[in-house]
Amino acid sequence: GNSVTQMEGPVTLSEEAFLTINCTYTATGYPSLFWYVQYPGEGLQLLLKATKADDKGSNKGFEATYRKETTSFHLEKGSVQVSDSAVYFCALREGGQNFVFGPGTRLSVLP
Amino acid sequence: EADIYQTPRYLVIGTGKKITLECSQTMGHDKMYWYQQDPGMELHLIHYSYGVNSTEKGDLSSESTVSRIRTEHFPLTLESARPSHTSQYLCASSDRVVTYEQYFGPGTRLTVT
Repeated sequence: GNSVTQMEGPVTLSEEAFLTINCTYTATGYPSLFWYVQYPGEGLQLLLKATKADDKGSNKGFEATYRKETTSFHLEKGSVQVSDSAVYFCALREGGQNFVFGPGTRLSVLP
Repeated sequence: EADIYQTPRYLVIGTGKKITLECSQTMGHDKMYWYQQDPGMELHLIHYSYGVNSTEKGDLSSESTVSRIRTEHFPLTLESARPSHTSQYLCASSDRVVTYEQYFGPGTRLTVT
């Protein structure tokens, strides 16, 4: 079946550091890929998405590129802020099937 | 901005009580979901619905039940709460075809003592 693997956290960075959170997936077809973010005490919010190979999703300074050849969708940000501290989930959805979420990566950004 | 609501946000109850967690959305989405989120953050799908009068069990076995009598409403019920039910419960909805993404409610944090 489909699956999503993320780098284990927690990830701790200083403010203005470069962020990469790795995400790889296994799917039988051509899924859409997503990054969701969960701030403390809240539900998940969609951060960005990509629906086909080589698409780049971007939002709030975050970017991720759908790489079919490496089955990856790594999340990057050039300069993190304290307000980016949250849990980040990589996810896929194939056709009308249910979402498959990764286990989440907790990011802490120190001032 | 997503219009999906959950009540209560926090609930502390004793063992053996019956509880219902409410979830409503105003986006007219057909598909709705309930997830249980453990302290390690991982999400587990426990129930979902394709539309009115449709309910399905998810990947994680759960003692809870759900109903879908109206499109906008998808309540989750525990007939007899136990300490093992202590968790964060997240409700979500999605458009079946167009946008694919899921919209999440703020969650209900349940503690059973």
